[in-house]
Amino acid sequence: GENVEQHPSTLSVQEGDSAVIKCTYSDSASNYFPWYKQELGKRPQLIIDIRSNVGEKKDQRIAVTLNKTAKHFSLHITETQPEDSAVYFCAAHGEGGADGLTFGKGTHLIIQP
Amino acid sequence: DGGITQSPKYLFRKEGQNVTLSCEQNLNHDAMYWYRQDPGQGLRLIYYSQIVNDFQKGDIAEGYSVSREKKESFPLTVTSAQKNPTAFYLCASSGVNTGELFFGEGSRLTVL
Repeated sequence: GENVEQHPSTLSVQEGDSAVIKCTYSDSASNYFPWYKQELGKRPQLIIDIRSNVGEKKDQRIAVTLNKTAKHFSLHITETQPEDSAVYFCAAHGEGGADGLTFGKGTHLIIQP
Repeated sequence: DGGITQSPKYLFRKEGQNVTLSCEQNLNHDAMYWYRQDPGQGLRLIYYSQIVNDFQKGDIAEGYSVSREKKESFPLTVTSAQKNPTAFYLCASSGVNTGELFFGEGSRLTVL
């Protein structure tokens, strides 16, 4: 089955700086790669996703890049703000994957004022 | 207002007791999932169902059971066989083959 590795587990950045979280996956058939943000005690919420026919996608301060050859994808947050502090999860979904998404273990992003 | 509703939000249980967590969705999604979340462990799949009256074990199904008698409902029972049940449980749903998951607000189970 699919295996997703996520790094780092904790990331602390100064407010206004950029943050980058990286994930690798094992199943070359995976074709959908979402990122979820989870605030303390709340549900994970989708913030951005990318499909395998695209190399990069951007939404305001958030961008995701995908390298299918290397089987890795990354989340980039620019001009970080205090409200960006949360746990971020990457995930991968295989083609025809009936068992849904496989998640990384999460990155706790801390924005230092 | 469309979405996924989990109940209860908090639940306390004594060792040896079974408990059932409710999950209802009105998104008309075919697929439903249960995940368990522990600190530093991410989200681990317990059970999933792609269609009514059918469900499959996920990565950590031991000590859990589910049913899918209606499209809208996918309850999870944490049995006394689950050795370490204290965790945050998340229910999710998705349209078939879309990939995107929609999560409920979660149920936090504590075993006393």
